[in-house]
Order: sequence, then structure tokens, then C-alpha cells
Amino acid sequence: QQQVKQSPQSLIVQKGGISIINCAYENTAFDYFPWYQQFPGKGPALLIAIRPDVSEKKEGRFTISFNKSAKQFSLHIMDSQPGDSATYFCAASRRGSTLGRLYFGRGTQLTVWP
Amino acid sequence: SQTIHQWPATLVQPVGSPLSLECTVEGTSNPNLYWYRQAAGRGLQLLFYSVGIGQISSEVPQNLSASRPQDRQFILSSKKLLLSDSGFYLCASRGRGVNTDTQYFGPGTRLTVL
Repeated sequence: QQQVKQSPQSLIVQKGGISIINCAYENTAFDYFPWYQQFPGKGPALLIAIRPDVSEKKEGRFTISFNKSAKQFSLHIMDSQPGDSATYFCAASRRGSTLGRLYFGRGTQLTVWP
Repeated sequence: SQTIHQWPATLVQPVGSPLSLECTVEGTSNPNLYWYRQAAGRGLQLLFYSVGIGQISSEVPQNLSASRPQDRQFILSSKKLLLSDSGFYLCASRGRGVNTDTQYFGPGTRLTVL
């Protein structure tokens, strides 16, 4: 069973536009929600993360919006650039767990056209 | 900060041949370590995790195995490769302190089984 559901699978955005990727989870014990960015042939890299005590976190052009009651969170990329073209993964985990396991969404392939 | 090394970067192996992929971690001690597989255009599948030397847990039954002979060394092996073992293999290490909920990924090994 997929613990974290991510959509869309692929996304094409014009340069300067807003890219929005959505994720939903079921396990209410999750309390850490990171986003990873992966370029072709590279390992994923942590982009931004949020904890449920806030509803939004912004770092530069990247913003996470978090809706605890709906069990949903999303990544917004403002002023999207061709260099943002990559695969984005959302994830969820329980803070402080012994294993530290991250449950990943299936990924969204973002293409930003110049 | 941590640095994760993976070797080799790419590998082409015939069906039925053995496999050994190596992951080493710098900048931390006694980390939780993880092996993931990413099939082409797909998400991240957790294969194995380890919380310490000699401690390996498997997430998915398969013909792969893992070992952790040293604190910061994690090895993925197979006695006989299958076509379905092709993919991008990623090693990850758990963060420490304030980053304990984060996983840091290595550059990956691209495995093609022919």
C-alpha cells in the first residue's frame, strides 16, 4: 500500500510559471515531510522540508504548503526556470523513529520550457 | 556534513553473474544506512536498511542481499543477477542531530543486466 500518494506524474510548465506538485498521506503519525529533487543520473537531494506545526515554509522560490486536517502537502515552485527541470519526490516519516524510514511518493517529472 | 560514495558509477553485467555494489559514508559515525532501487522512470523502492554493523533488514524478498562489514560501509550483493535487477541503485545515510529525520543520498550506481 502506497503510504504517500503524489500527483501529477509529469508536469510541463512554461518558464516563469508556477509549478505545483501535490502529495497526500494516510498515516497520522507522520510528522516530517521533506521534498527531494533529483536530476537525471544523480541521487536525490533534499530540497525543503516541513513539520506539521506550521502551515507553510518558504525557501527562495520553493514553498511547501501543509494542510494537516486534509493530510495533504504540496510544493510550489514560483517563477519556474529550465534549471528546475528534474524529478521531485515528496516523502513522509515519523520523527525520532529508530529506523528513520522515509515513505516516498512515486515522483513527478517536471519540465520547464524556456 | 555527510558525504556518501558509491562504487562503481555504472555497471553492465550478464544475466547469472554475481554483483557487488559498495557504499561508504564520510562525516558521521554509526549511521542508519539504506539501499534503494529506482527502476527507469519510477519511484524509490527501499531494499535494505541497517542500524549497525552486521544488522540488516530486508524490505523486499528477492535475489539480492546486503551486508555491513564496517560502521560506514554498506554492500549490496547478488549471487546470480536477473534481467529485472537492472536499475539505478542508491545508498542513503540518515542525518544526525537536527537533521536526524533526513536521509542523504549517494550519487548512485546504474546497473544494466543483459
